[in-house]
Amino acid sequence: QVQLQESGPGLVKPSETLSLTCAVSGYSISSGYYWGWIRQPPGKGLEWIGSIYHSGSTYYNPSLKSRVTISVDTSKNQFSLKLSSVTAADTAVYYCARRWDAFDIWGQGTMVTVSS
Amino acid sequence: QAGLTQPPSVSKGLRQTATLTCTGNSNIVGNQGAAWLQQHQGHPPKLLSYRNNNRPSGISERFSASRSGNTASLTITGLQPEDEADYYCSAWDSSLSAWVFGGGTKLTVL
Repeated sequence: QVQLQESGPGLVKPSETLSLTCAVSGYSISSGYYWGWIRQPPGKGLEWIGSIYHSGSTYYNPSLKSRVTISVDTSKNQFSLKLSSVTAADTAVYYCARRWDAFDIWGQGTMVTVSS
Repeated sequence: QAGLTQPPSVSKGLRQTATLTCTGNSNIVGNQGAAWLQQHQGHPPKLLSYRNNNRPSGISERFSASRSGNTASLTITGLQPEDEADYYCSAWDSSLSAWVFGGGTKLTVL
């Protein structure tokens, strides 16, 4: 059974960098699939942040591209998100998910609040 | 992101049929079709269908998806109380090179 689990600080100060990790169990990232990050501001809809292929190829939401870095660590079977220069508008539940034709397996999500 | 348009809310009675719509353009829905996700309050989204009408293992046959032109639809038959949730469509936008989500439809089962 494939499971994803997000981890990272729940509070980030404005202008700093948000860093999250998604640990994957039950499947080896290096075997394939795309791995992505999606966020959901409180009471709002879903927004795709970006994805990474197991080989390390990345592609990002054009609206966030200048601030986003997604990387993969196959030795630890996990992938990570860094979002720089955060503001209150980046406050959201952040989900990691596996994708091929669609995002089929999701983590439980982690709430990140941007506040001083 | 306004690539996919969904009605904000739909209300139907118990055991009735609800059809949720998702409208995009040929760069989106007309390409590989849409996926549908269900999200209950406080929980992560759950994939219901992909590539228009493929259901992952374990998803009830009461959920069926279709596409007509640039509009994708999710039909839920025999509505149950547990079907009350937010429903999102999702697709790849080839013009943006980005995954996009609809704004979501809140389904209320009366």
